[in-house]
Amino acid sequence: DAKTTQPNSMESNEEEPVHLPCNHSTISGTDYIHWYRQLPSQGPEYVIHGLTSNVNNRMASLAIAEDRKSSTLILHRATLRDAAVYYCILRDVEGGNKLVFGAGTILRVKS
Amino acid sequence: GAGVSQSPRYKVAKRGQDVALRCDPISGHVSLFWYQQALGQGPEFLTYFQNEAQLDKSGLPSDRFFAERPEGSVSTLKIQRTQQEDSAVYLCASSLWVSNYGYTFGSGTRLTVV
Repeated sequence: DAKTTQPNSMESNEEEPVHLPCNHSTISGTDYIHWYRQLPSQGPEYVIHGLTSNVNNRMASLAIAEDRKSSTLILHRATLRDAAVYYCILRDVEGGNKLVFGAGTILRVKS
Repeated sequence: GAGVSQSPRYKVAKRGQDVALRCDPISGHVSLFWYQQALGQGPEFLTYFQNEAQLDKSGLPSDRFFAERPEGSVSTLKIQRTQQEDSAVYLCASSLWVSNYGYTFGSGTRLTVV
């Protein structure tokens, strides 16, 4: 499975946008970019995924670089409930179904 | 139910004891996964079922770990002769089909081996 690199931690102010980066320089053409987040004492929660084009949903936006070697998860207005560990995961649907998690980014939100 | 249900929520076992952890996936979900999450780490894959068939068990750390899903719905992860290094949160996830969409995770079972 191709690897991703994320900052260990980030901090944001409440009500401000947050940009969480992810590098995946060895991404292959069949890898989808998935983001999950894990709130304290809970299991991971699906956030968003994409292949080439930018994606929006009610939780977040995903901006994918043109060469696909990096992506950014955007939370438009951070709230205290967004404090969590955010995982960027590459998933090759042709190579299997499991998600391979890294260490993720710990997002702290200040009020 | 609306989500993936795992029981018990917490389990304390004495070293050498056998434990069984249960996962109730979302009704109709074909795919089911087990993950192990040590403190401060990301979840690590243990095993995968498609209906009742265990298609991937490459992540099971030893032959003390065994998983089953006999009727293609509820799954049980069994750990025999528990060791201290087995202490972790065990997470179960399910999805409707082999898909590229999101998996739904349960809240996990926190196992502490003393």
